[in-house]
Amino acid sequence: SAVISQKPSRDICQRGTSLTIQCQVDSQVTMMFWYRQQPGQSLTLIATANQGSEATYESGFVIDKFPISRPNLTFSTLTVSNMSPEDSSIYLCSVEQAYTDTQYFGPGTRLTVL
Amino acid sequence: AQKITQTQPGMFVQEKEAVTLDCTYDTSDQSYGLFWYKQPSSGEMIFLIYQGSYDEQNATEGRYSLNFQKARKSANLVISASQLGDSAMYFCAMREGGTGFQKLVFGTGTRLLVSP
Repeated sequence: SAVISQKPSRDICQRGTSLTIQCQVDSQVTMMFWYRQQPGQSLTLIATANQGSEATYESGFVIDKFPISRPNLTFSTLTVSNMSPEDSSIYLCSVEQAYTDTQYFGPGTRLTVL
Repeated sequence: AQKITQTQPGMFVQEKEAVTLDCTYDTSDQSYGLFWYKQPSSGEMIFLIYQGSYDEQNATEGRYSLNFQKARKSANLVISASQLGDSAMYFCAMREGGTGFQKLVFGTGTRLLVSP
């Protein structure tokens, strides 16, 4: 399975600031996904990141709030912009390798906004 | 309508016993995939097991097996010989519409507590 790392693993941020989360995979993958897990909740997809094209956002998520970059087949970033306490969540990236039926997740970034 | 339903917010089991975590799903697609993930308190999502809608055999991975009943649209996870390290949140998820590169939709999860 793919080995996925995320940076930072956790952060505490002030309201109104932005945080960029990095996701690195040890092999080339076509699709990368960004999920959010609010406290005590399940996972919700934010967007799908395809290399070389703009990310596709799910309903309720917009590019201005969650800009995503996907410069190559092993790396992606998610920025949480103009943060408020409601953005306090775990943010997880995931990948699906070609010819498998499985999505693997990174270790997550635990974000607290004060 | 909920696509994935997990009706057990919490489950308790004694060490070395088996436990079944329930999951029902709703889809009109003929081709779909069902997943189970484990989330310990650290927050990472650990893949446990996968079942494709066309798979005739129930999936098994070590102590994990998936009891797939297609007509009932259920995909229950069975953990045999529970261990203390199995205490975690467990999420059922579904991918609709063919294989590959589709988003996962998650249930609300079941918290499993294994006691000595």
